[in-house]
Amino acid sequence: EVQLVESGGGLEKPGRSLRLSCEASGFTFGDYAMSWFRQAPGKGLEWVAFIRKKADGGTIDYAASVKGRFTISRDDSKSIAYLQMDSLKTEDTAVYYCVRDSGTYHYFDYWGQGTLVTVSS
Amino acid sequence: EIVMTQSPATLSVSPGERATLFCRASQSVRSNLAWYQQKPGQAPRLLIYGASTRATGIPARFSGSGSGTEFTLTISSLQSEDFAVYYCQQYNNWPLTFGGGTKVEIK
Repeated sequence: EVQLVESGGGLEKPGRSLRLSCEASGFTFGDYAMSWFRQAPGKGLEWVAFIRKKADGGTIDYAASVKGRFTISRDDSKSIAYLQMDSLKTEDTAVYYCVRDSGTYHYFDYWGQGTLVTVSS
Repeated sequence: EIVMTQSPATLSVSPGERATLFCRASQSVRSNLAWYQQKPGQAPRLLIYGASTRATGIPARFSGSGSGTEFTLTISSLQSEDFAVYYCQQYNNWPLTFGGGTKVEIK
């Protein structure tokens, strides 16, 4: 059974940093691209960051709203994806989801339950 | 950036009735469109990809159609568990973008 478990969320002040982790199980992690999405309270879904599998170069894409502040990475030996969030803003407050890419095309077949990040002074 | 627009924002339907949800893209996304269902307090669940292919385990009452800029999600006979918010997502271009969602509520 595919499982994605996020951790690392919490309350942080503007300008500070947080690192989210996503532990994956039930599939060969290194064979899949991974992504982070977020959902602000009462709002819709927003794609945040994407990292390809090593076989596809491991390249990365970011949403404009987080580019230069957030860093996605992966450790295939541990089956963990990370999202380093620096220079946090109040508008980064959201539930953050770790998500598995389906494969050839970028729709997403497995989602974690999410971790809440609250940025407030 | 491709803007995805969903309509209506809210759809009131009685159990057993048919629901039709719409999603429009600001430019062609070919058939690179997915639909997700999200219930309160839960993560989204993939329903449809490739505009019309049901994901694993999705009941046949869910169907998708369309290509280019106009897409439709139809739920043929609403069950109690189908009342939720539905999102479309295009994956033809970066950045990946979602529609604002359609809430299907009990009439």
